[in-house]
Amino acid sequence: DAGVIQSPRHEVTEMGQEVTLRCKPISGHDYLFWYRQTMMRGLELLIYFNNNVPIDDSGMPEDRFSAKMPNASFSTLKIQPSEPRDSAVYFCASSLDRTKETQYFGPGTRLLVL
Amino acid sequence: GIQVEQSPPDLILQEGANSTLRCNFSDSVNNLQWFHQNPWGQLINLFYIPSGTKQNGRLSATTVATERYSLLYISSSQTTDSGVYFCAVEGMDTGRRALTFGSGTRLQVQP
Repeated sequence: DAGVIQSPRHEVTEMGQEVTLRCKPISGHDYLFWYRQTMMRGLELLIYFNNNVPIDDSGMPEDRFSAKMPNASFSTLKIQPSEPRDSAVYFCASSLDRTKETQYFGPGTRLLVL
Repeated sequence: GIQVEQSPPDLILQEGANSTLRCNFSDSVNNLQWFHQNPWGQLINLFYIPSGTKQNGRLSATTVATERYSLLYISSSQTTDSGVYFCAVEGMDTGRRALTFGSGTRLQVQP
């Protein structure tokens, strides 16, 4: 398997623009997670899905952030409008639908909002 | 929520030295993983180890779940071991399938 795939790997945009990050989980995995890494806050969960349904979005910072999972093989994280403080590395991870299972992380998307 | 503390925050080693990284957590866990974040930012799974001991080459890990800590051992360190090591846990009682990360140990191995 190719592992968790994220695109783009790098994104530079200007404040106010819409940003869409994409993730393809490992085939057969039922859980999908979005994490964000910043210098100030470290690695933190934004939202996770189980069988394409959002389960916990308590980590989503504000209404400018939204995430969808239209099918088992694709998820998006959208920021609209983007702000400089959204600059971070965004990771997607997936795991099997069992209580004790490893989460596998994608390579991340490095976002810079100018 | 569950708290995760890692120590030391920074570590500088000479190539060939051994080291021990520690992770303390505040509650019972379903999942504990150790990651290495390399200089390119990739998070690489090292161990899935909610309890017990595992070894993979020069790396090994032990989790004592009853005492709520985990240790990562690096033997005969190499410059390629440099990077940040994260411990991440999933609390057992929260019903929440999400990892809480520690702040990491930044390791620098000098030639």
